[in-house]
Amino acid sequence: AQSVTQPDIHITVSEGASLELRCNYSYGATPYLFWYVQSPGQGLQLLLKYFSGDTLVQGIKGFEAEFKRSQSSFNLRKPSVHWSDAAEYFCAVDGAGTYKYIFGTGTRLKVLA
Amino acid sequence: DGGITQSPKYLFRKEGQNVTLSCEQNLNHDAMYWYRQDPGQGLRLIYYSQIVNDFQKGDIAEGYSVSREKKESFPLTVTSAQKNPTAFYLCASSTPGTEKETQYFGPGTRLLVL
Repeated sequence: AQSVTQPDIHITVSEGASLELRCNYSYGATPYLFWYVQSPGQGLQLLLKYFSGDTLVQGIKGFEAEFKRSQSSFNLRKPSVHWSDAAEYFCAVDGAGTYKYIFGTGTRLKVLA
Repeated sequence: DGGITQSPKYLFRKEGQNVTLSCEQNLNHDAMYWYRQDPGQGLRLIYYSQIVNDFQKGDIAEGYSVSREKKESFPLTVTSAQKNPTAFYLCASSTPGTEKETQYFGPGTRLLVL
């Protein structure tokens, strides 16, 4: 069965520091992979997605993620975090053609001034 | 602007009452989805619909019902059979198929039990 693991429930970084949020998935083939961000009381906003091709994908707000097949990972990175990046981040996997996303449990990011 | 709207933003349910959450999209997407979000559990799929007049149960459909009479609309009813309905409900839509298979989300409805 497909699954997504976000091992870090909470992460705290200082403003201006680099950020890496971890995501590991379990799926037999190459899945479609997504990162979403959610501010408190809001819906989810798509940051970036991977379907195929270049394994380093660029997203909005200066985020990028790298697909590593050998590690079954799709970690999200940002070189310099801004206070406005404080939110909850969700990784999701879609077994192509299933119409069903499997979401991780989320990582809550706190940014220190 | 194209997007997904959900109403109301907050909804209060009394014991034994059915309530309906609205979801409308003007993105011309074929598929629509309902998720439930609880703290620490991520998002769980309640129902999804690939085309008008057709829908399938997700992972936690018990106590919920849906209809898809129009492409733009996918209302969710939380019935009295749902014993723990307090949660944040998110609607999403997509057009499945290769690169278009990306789900876009509405702003959510928070359901509280009185």
